[in-house]
Amino acid sequence: DAGVIQSPRHEVTEMGQEVTLRCKPISGHNSLFWYRQTMMRGLELLIYFNNNVPIDDSGMPEDRFSAKMPNASFSTLKIQPSEPRDSAVYFCASSLTRDAEAFFGQGTRLTVV
Amino acid sequence: AQSVTQPDIHITVSEGASLELRCNYSYGATPYLFWYVQSPGQGLQLLLKYFSGDTLVQGIKGFEAEFKRSQSSFNLRKPSVHWSDAAEYFCAVGGQAGTALIFGKGTTLSVSS
Repeated sequence: DAGVIQSPRHEVTEMGQEVTLRCKPISGHNSLFWYRQTMMRGLELLIYFNNNVPIDDSGMPEDRFSAKMPNASFSTLKIQPSEPRDSAVYFCASSLTRDAEAFFGQGTRLTVV
Repeated sequence: AQSVTQPDIHITVSEGASLELRCNYSYGATPYLFWYVQSPGQGLQLLLKYFSGDTLVQGIKGFEAEFKRSQSSFNLRKPSVHWSDAAEYFCAVGGQAGTALIFGKGTTLSVSS
């Protein structure tokens, strides 16, 4: 298996623009997680899905952030409009329902200027 | 509240010396515990995990960790550090399969020659 695949790896955008981050989880995994990593706050859970259903989105910073999982093999995290404070590395991870071990993608480094 | 504390932000160890990274957790139920490693610009890689059974668990790259319930700790150890071990290390706690992991802020390991 290729592991968790995220795209793009790097994104530079201007403040106010819409940004969409994409994730393909490991085939067969039922849980998907979006994390954000910054120097100040470390790794923060934004949202996670179980069987494509959002279970906990309490970590989503504000209404500018939204996440979807239309099927078991694809998820998006959208920021609209983006702001400089959204600059961070965004990680997607997936895990089997029976196993709490999470497998991480390489991350998307987002820079909002 | 569930939380993970890694008391050491940065540790420097001489190559060949032993290593211990500390991790304390707060969790309301039986925890699943994990150590991940992150090299610069990379995603997180699982080093080892504890679900149940033997409290001393072996992981990849010669790492081990010991679960001590009475101390709410899960410290990571390695008897002899190699220069390639320089990275950031994260401790994480989870519970029911399919729930999100909670991460500590991480410990940066530097290895001196």
